[in-house]
Amino acid sequence: KAGVTQTPRYLIKTRGQQVTLSCSPISGHRSVSWYQQTPGQGLQFLFEYFSETQRNKGNFPGRFSGRQFSNSRSEMNVSTLELGDSALYLCASSLTGDVVDTQYFGPGTRLTVL
Amino acid sequence: DAKTTQPNSMESNEEEPVHLPCNHSTISGTDYIHWYRQLPSQGPEYVIHGLTSNVNNRMASLAIAEDRKSSTLILHRATLRDAAVYYCIRNGTTDSWGKLQFGAGTQVVVTP
Repeated sequence: KAGVTQTPRYLIKTRGQQVTLSCSPISGHRSVSWYQQTPGQGLQFLFEYFSETQRNKGNFPGRFSGRQFSNSRSEMNVSTLELGDSALYLCASSLTGDVVDTQYFGPGTRLTVL
Repeated sequence: DAKTTQPNSMESNEEEPVHLPCNHSTISGTDYIHWYRQLPSQGPEYVIHGLTSNVNNRMASLAIAEDRKSSTLILHRATLRDAAVYYCIRNGTTDSWGKLQFGAGTQVVVTP
């Protein structure tokens, strides 16, 4: 069974631009979660989608948004990029997002904002 | 707020057991304990989880204290591939849908 895939793997943008990252979950998984990882803040939860609905959200500004499609694939968007948005963005999928579900992580998208 | 406390780092010799402690003194009755690890340049991967009883799988064992305020992840025979950051996570309420609250974790160094 194929794992979680994320595209692109690397991205360089400049301040003020916007960016869209994509995540394809494991087949059959309906929950997709997004995380931001930085050296200073560690791994932080962004949001979770299930059946095309955002069900949970972390403490990030409104510039960070996401969506999920009917095939469970998900995208996240960051508008008006800031230098501090440089990070590794990880997506994880699970069957239902329940507390006992295992989350399977993708390799991440490395975003650099110049 | 990660709600768990772990040592910053631990060292082990190859093929020796590693015991990774985790403190979660404010745990509630319905909270699960999860362990994930992150190898260099990879996303985190699941290791094990439990509620009250000790748990074993092919990767590790999880020993949960009787009062559930602490737990220990046991890697029975460390290999070089086990060098990673290990995260102890507790969650259990409905507002945790798809949400893992990572702390700083424990960096495990395995020496040949």
